Amino acid sequence: SQTIHQWPATLVQPVGSPLSLECTVEGTSNPNLYWYRQAAGRGLQLLFYSVGIGQISSEVPQNLSASRPQDRQFILSSKKLLLSDSGFYLCAWSGYTEAFFGQGTRLTVV
Amino acid sequence: AQSVTQLDSQVPVFEEAPVELRCNYSSSVSVYLFWYVQYPNQGLQLLLKYLSGSTLVESINGFEAEFNKSQTSFHLRKPSVHISDTAEYFCAVSASQGGSEKLVFGKGTKLTVNP
Repeated sequence: SQTIHQWPATLVQPVGSPLSLECTVEGTSNPNLYWYRQAAGRGLQLLFYSVGIGQISSEVPQNLSASRPQDRQFILSSKKLLLSDSGFYLCAWSGYTEAFFGQGTRLTVV
Repeated sequence: AQSVTQLDSQVPVFEEAPVELRCNYSSSVSVYLFWYVQYPNQGLQLLLKYLSGSTLVESINGFEAEFNKSQTSFHLRKPSVHISDTAEYFCAVSASQGGSEKLVFGKGTKLTVNP
């Protein structure tokens, strides 16, 4: 069965520090991978979308970047965090008929 | 491109009352439709989905949703809610063909079930 691992679960980082969130998928090959951010009252905002290794689509301009160095690995990064980067980050993978989500990372930038 | 509108950001109800969470979508192509549930500080879990066939789909915990193509809606209903149904619910859409398969989510509806 397919599983998705996302870590860490919680993270507190100072403004201006770098960020690296990792997500790995098991039980499927060549998945479509996503990073979403969830901020209070704003629902799920799609940040990045990847259909294959090295293929990243950015949905919104922001202080973040994503990379896919391996088929089942998706990394969300920032060189310098802003206060506005705080939120709940979710990794997901999908085919046409369903999406599976990681447990999320609660990022607080202080 | 697809879009989803969840008309209610918060829905408070009493235990054992019926509930309807509204979802409307827009798309120029055929779609798949989904409802996901999120409990506090957790990821999203699939509640139910419409891919094809019967327009009424059901989940194992008593929720159901009906695909209405003419009204472009996929409202979620439950005839009698429990305290444990308190969560945030997200409607989502993806193109079934001829468009992006990316899942597009609504802003969510917080369902609070009070005793």
